[in-house]
Amino acid sequence: ETGVTQSPTHLIKTRGQQVTLRCSSQSGHNTVSWYQQALGQGPQFIFQYYREEENGRGNFPPRFSGLQFPNYSSELNVNALELDDSALYLCASSLEQAGTEAFFGQGTRLTVV
Amino acid sequence: SQKIEQNSEALNIQEGKTATLTCNYINYSPAYLQWYRQDPGRGPVFLLLIRENEKEKRKERLKVTFDTTLKQSLFHITASQPADSATYLCAGSRAGNNRKLIWGLGTSLAVNP
Repeated sequence: ETGVTQSPTHLIKTRGQQVTLRCSSQSGHNTVSWYQQALGQGPQFIFQYYREEENGRGNFPPRFSGLQFPNYSSELNVNALELDDSALYLCASSLEQAGTEAFFGQGTRLTVV
Repeated sequence: SQKIEQNSEALNIQEGKTATLTCNYINYSPAYLQWYRQDPGRGPVFLLLIRENEKEKRKERLKVTFDTTLKQSLFHITASQPADSATYLCAGSRAGNNRKLIWGLGTSLAVNP
């Protein structure tokens, strides 16, 4: 086990709804990254948070937003859900230094119908 | 655009043989390459990290190489076992910036008893 926990593990939402996914990072890690992984694809970087501030963002629209809390846990919010948002959402915690490994949670499987 | 490419064809090998997986980087000069294992429906699990000034890194039955001339990393599993069957992902990151790991799509490995 990595010490990174995500909730919920599975979720079904209707198109147009909003969703919040949660992640508790590994103890001592101040950096959290979120990824979207479609079936058969590699993870796609959504954004990263370092000490409660967004620290880099991938090619995702503004309806994907996030937060990091003082205890370094994090949330991913997606508004106006679309069918293509159906994917495995992964949270990874790490130290902020370059070249350090990322520890992933088990992921949240989101299905938009 | 920056890309990490992995062989999309599944690799099937016999138990006891050495599995070799390839990761090529395109329009990109990562300072670090990381290899992860991913089982279906789970988050990736970190295996090995290699720096651009390292030619080779080993951990138990695993070996990874980094060839900056060929722009390639090779990942070897020696004495493979059926339990090694999984998808293996390669990811690159630059020096001084841990914001964004660029991921390959992964290669599926099946080790047959």
